[in-house]
Amino acid sequence: NAGVTQTPKFRVLKTGQSMTLLCAQDMNHEYMYWYRQDPGMGLRLIHYSVGEGTTAKGEVPDGYNVSRLKKQNFLLGLESAAPSQTSVYFCASSYLRTSTDTQYFGPGTRLTVL
Amino acid sequence: DQQVKQNSPSLSVQEGRISILNCDYTNSMFDYFLWYKKYPAEGPTFLISISSIKDKNEDGRFTVFLNKSAKHLSLHIVPSQPGDSAVYFCAIHRGADGLTFGKGTHLIIQP
Repeated sequence: NAGVTQTPKFRVLKTGQSMTLLCAQDMNHEYMYWYRQDPGMGLRLIHYSVGEGTTAKGEVPDGYNVSRLKKQNFLLGLESAAPSQTSVYFCASSYLRTSTDTQYFGPGTRLTVL
Repeated sequence: DQQVKQNSPSLSVQEGRISILNCDYTNSMFDYFLWYKKYPAEGPTFLISISSIKDKNEDGRFTVFLNKSAKHLSLHIVPSQPGDSAVYFCAIHRGADGLTFGKGTHLIIQP
């Protein structure tokens, strides 16, 4: 049982390049989330999904797209990377969306955009 | 506008003593609060939570207190151990919109 895994762990992009971050969970969780963390900041929600085939915008969605084609996977895409997207990206999942359900986080992807 | 505020970026405590981490929130409608712990190069891990119908929740060495009138919660760690050195995030659960985190407090346990 690996929990929540993220691929890749590190990536350096040039401005304008595109990439996809992959999140996978093996806990059969319905809900999945993408957050970003910047220095001196808490985590901020980018997009989330309440089930296979669904996505919704979070607090800071601009410049990102997501897809949830399979229940266990949640992809975060950057179509044209900008230096402002340099950050650490965390994926999380939870079984339910109720207030008492715990979100489990992956180890993060450190992205640098030059 | 920050909805969850952790005003102490760092806190240094001697091993064996009590660590107290504080968090303030702005909206009295929030009804579920969590603390996450984060080590470098790892994702946050859930530590303890409290519902607004309670004013205290304990789990081993960790206790969270909620003061609804002051919109304030605190995390007490007793006794503090070296492995407790980490960044602690206070978070509120916003239902459909996931979690809203504070900026975190870096706790350093000194031998």
